[in-house]
Amino acid sequence: NAGVTQTPKFQVLKTGQSMTLQCAQDMNHNSMYWYRQDPGMGLRLIYYSASEGTTDKGEVPNGYNVSRLNKREFSLRLESAAPSQTSVYFCASSNGRAGAEKLFFGSGTQLSVL
Amino acid sequence: GESVGLHLPTLSVQEGDNSIINCAYSNSASDYFIWYKQESGKGPQFIIDIRSNMDKRQGQRVTVLLNKTVKHLSLQIAATQPGDSAVYFCAEKFKLSFGAGTTVTVRA
Repeated sequence: NAGVTQTPKFQVLKTGQSMTLQCAQDMNHNSMYWYRQDPGMGLRLIYYSASEGTTDKGEVPNGYNVSRLNKREFSLRLESAAPSQTSVYFCASSNGRAGAEKLFFGSGTQLSVL
Repeated sequence: GESVGLHLPTLSVQEGDNSIINCAYSNSASDYFIWYKQESGKGPQFIIDIRSNMDKRQGQRVTVLLNKTVKHLSLQIAATQPGDSAVYFCAEKFKLSFGAGTTVTVRA
């Protein structure tokens, strides 16, 4: 059982480049989330999706877009990467209503923007 | 012995000792709480949870205590091992962002 799978694991971008982080879960979860983690800042929510076809902003949505492609997949796009977006990105999923149950996390994507 | 981090960002503990990690929550109506462990280079992983109809819940070497009166919960790790070195986060229902957590370092 793979759980939550994120790709890629590492990425280096130049300022202004775009890219999409992919996330898929095989647990039939309703809710999916994207977080970023910076040193000493904990996990900050970028966007979440409470169900297929819906997305909502989290704490730090600026500079990002998301797509809930289907129940399994939730992608995060950086249209024009900035050095401030250098971070580790985690995707997560959970059963039921967003935030009502424990989250299952992927292994993360380490992104560097030069 | 025991090592307790009272809402401190770091906790250093001797291998074999018990560890206690504390957490305060904000919403007195919260009825579900979760502890996660994040090892270096990995995503957070669920350890144990507790609902508000309980004061205590035990897992394998871990115990979570909930004090609703003072809105406080704690994670106790028995006989701390090197593999327990990690960042520990507490979370409450419907609160989707996490604080910086407590970094536990186990001394050999």
